[in-house]
Amino acid sequence: KAGVTQTPRYLIKTRGQQVTLSCSPISGHRSVSWYQQTPGQGLQFLFEYFSETQRNKGNFPGRFSGRQFSNSRSEMNVSTLELGDSALYLCASSFTRGIESLYGYTFGSGTRLTVV
Amino acid sequence: GNSVTQMEGPVTLSEEAFLTINCTYTATGYPSLFWYVQYPGEGLQLLLKATKADDKGSNKGFEATYRKETTSFHLEKGSVQVSDSAVYFCALHGSGNTGKLIFGQGTTLQVKP
Repeated sequence: KAGVTQTPRYLIKTRGQQVTLSCSPISGHRSVSWYQQTPGQGLQFLFEYFSETQRNKGNFPGRFSGRQFSNSRSEMNVSTLELGDSALYLCASSFTRGIESLYGYTFGSGTRLTVV
Repeated sequence: GNSVTQMEGPVTLSEEAFLTINCTYTATGYPSLFWYVQYPGEGLQLLLKATKADDKGSNKGFEATYRKETTSFHLEKGSVQVSDSAVYFCALHGSGNTGKLIFGQGTTLQVKP
């Protein structure tokens, strides 16, 4: 069974540019969540999508956005990149019944974004 | 709001030593609790979980018991190996808070031969 796949693994972008990251969940998982991991702030929740709808959102500026497609694949976009956006971005998928995750959250290996 | 506090690291142990990493939480209702492990350059791997009070999660020799009276979920292992060297995260999922895990700051474990 394939795990959660994130692409690309590494990205280097210039301040002011925008970037799109991709996440393919485990087959059958319809919930996809995104997290930002930095040494200073640790792991912080960005947002969660289920059936193409954003169900939950963390405390990030509007420059951070996401979407989910009908096959449950998800993308997140960061516009007008800042140096502080340099981080490891992780996505996690889950098999849910209603709003409850039945078996926990499976994470991908992440995308390492460096903003220069 | 909900929060998770882990003991600060790094924790350095000799091979075959006993491991405890403390985790306490603050939450309303009945959260689910998790331990994740992160190896260098990788994402998070679910180590174990517990969904209600007094549940014991276990995997690969690691154990943790959901203690509601002390709001704790301490991770233990009887005999650590060099391959257990990693960063360990305690996490909480609050009831109805879809898709959102709240993580502790992580504890780095280094096991020396």
